Amino acid sequence: SQTIHQWPATLVQPVGSPLSLECTVEGTSNPNLYWYRQAAGRGLQLLFYSVGIGQISSEVPQNLSASRPQDRQFILSSKKLLLSDSGFYLCAWSVGQGSPYEQYFGPGTRLTVT
Amino acid sequence: ILNVEQSPQSLHVQEGDSTNFTCSFPSSNFYALHWYRWETAKSPEALFVMTLNGDEKKKGRISATLNTKEGYSYLYIKGSQPEDSATYLCAFNSNYQLIWGAGTKLIIKP
Repeated sequence: SQTIHQWPATLVQPVGSPLSLECTVEGTSNPNLYWYRQAAGRGLQLLFYSVGIGQISSEVPQNLSASRPQDRQFILSSKKLLLSDSGFYLCAWSVGQGSPYEQYFGPGTRLTVT
Repeated sequence: ILNVEQSPQSLHVQEGDSTNFTCSFPSSNFYALHWYRWETAKSPEALFVMTLNGDEKKKGRISATLNTKEGYSYLYIKGSQPEDSATYLCAFNSNYQLIWGAGTKLIIKP
């Protein structure tokens, strides 16, 4: 069966510090991978998605970046965090081919930028 | 810009009562409509995926309907229980991505 891991679960970082959140998927190959953010009181906002190694699409301009160095690994980064980067970050995966599809979510990371 | 609207934003329901809420989505470029259930401190979990106009899906006390021509879906919960308290998200499936609504937060009062 497929599982998705995300870490860390919680993170408190000062403004201007770097960020690295990691997500890995097991039990499937060539998944689509996604990074979402839920800011306080708002819905899910898609930040990045990837259909393959090294292929990253960004949905919104921001100071965050994403990378996919391996098939089942997805990393969210920032060089300098802003206060507005606080939120709940979710990684998700879906099957690589076909539509419609379901997305399966990791446990999330709660990021507080102070 | 594709927009998905959910109403109401939040809902307080007495235990044992039935309730429903709405998801509105674009009526063009439709592939599927998804409902997810998101409990506090957990990950969103898929409830239903519906693809055809007139689809009805049911899982226990929860059911959903779909109208793709007018662009809406209803989620119904019959005989609400405390464990139904969660945020219910709908997502419009267009091509290769999901466009999410902001959710309806359901609170069941014992």
